Amino acid sequence: GAVVSQHPSWVICKSGTSVKIECRSLDFQATTMFWYRQFPKQSLMLMATSNEGSKATYEQGVEKDKFLINHASLTLSTLTVTSAHPEDSSFYICSARIPSRNTQYFGPGTRLTVL
Amino acid sequence: RKEVEQDPGPFNVPEGATVAFNCTYSNSASQSFFWYRQDCRKEPKLLMSVYSSGNEDGRFTAQLNRASQYISLLIRDSKLSDSATYLCVVGGAQKLVFGQGTRLTINP
Repeated sequence: GAVVSQHPSWVICKSGTSVKIECRSLDFQATTMFWYRQFPKQSLMLMATSNEGSKATYEQGVEKDKFLINHASLTLSTLTVTSAHPEDSSFYICSARIPSRNTQYFGPGTRLTVL
Repeated sequence: RKEVEQDPGPFNVPEGATVAFNCTYSNSASQSFFWYRQDCRKEPKLLMSVYSSGNEDGRFTAQLNRASQYISLLIRDSKLSDSATYLCVVGGAQKLVFGQGTRLTINP
């Protein structure tokens, strides 16, 4: 089956630092990947849609200069949380859409804690 | 109004019981419908797609009523391993919108 990986699985950082999260599709090419954020006891909220070779599309209320997305290849998208603050602490999950199927497969998520 | 609404629960039921989850969605142009399962501190995993004709996968039955914009999931003969949060998910042309999830605990 389709597999999506994320790295790192968890990260703890100091306030003001930047954190990069990688999302890879392991056995298929994903022209579109998605980045979600989930706070405790809340549902997944879409942050942005990452398109290979073009700029990401951000959802309303998501700062594009704070959450930098790069989708340089068909198997890799990265999310960089710049100048992280404690309120950015959350569970970040990526997903990839298989063109031939009308659904998304999720990575295992990255738990970010900003001190 | 939320785009996808679910009863947040929690539902606590004994092993072997039948459980029903309901979900409504507001966008009549929605094209695809799913139930995902999410275990604590894990990513969501696709449980099943939902079709207008209804579909069944073992103990799980999903129904879609487009006219009422209503989706359901029925779990029969529930197992301890069914304990999780169940997410109703509605898709447009490209994006997925998640309900807040219904937490289910199966008790021995």
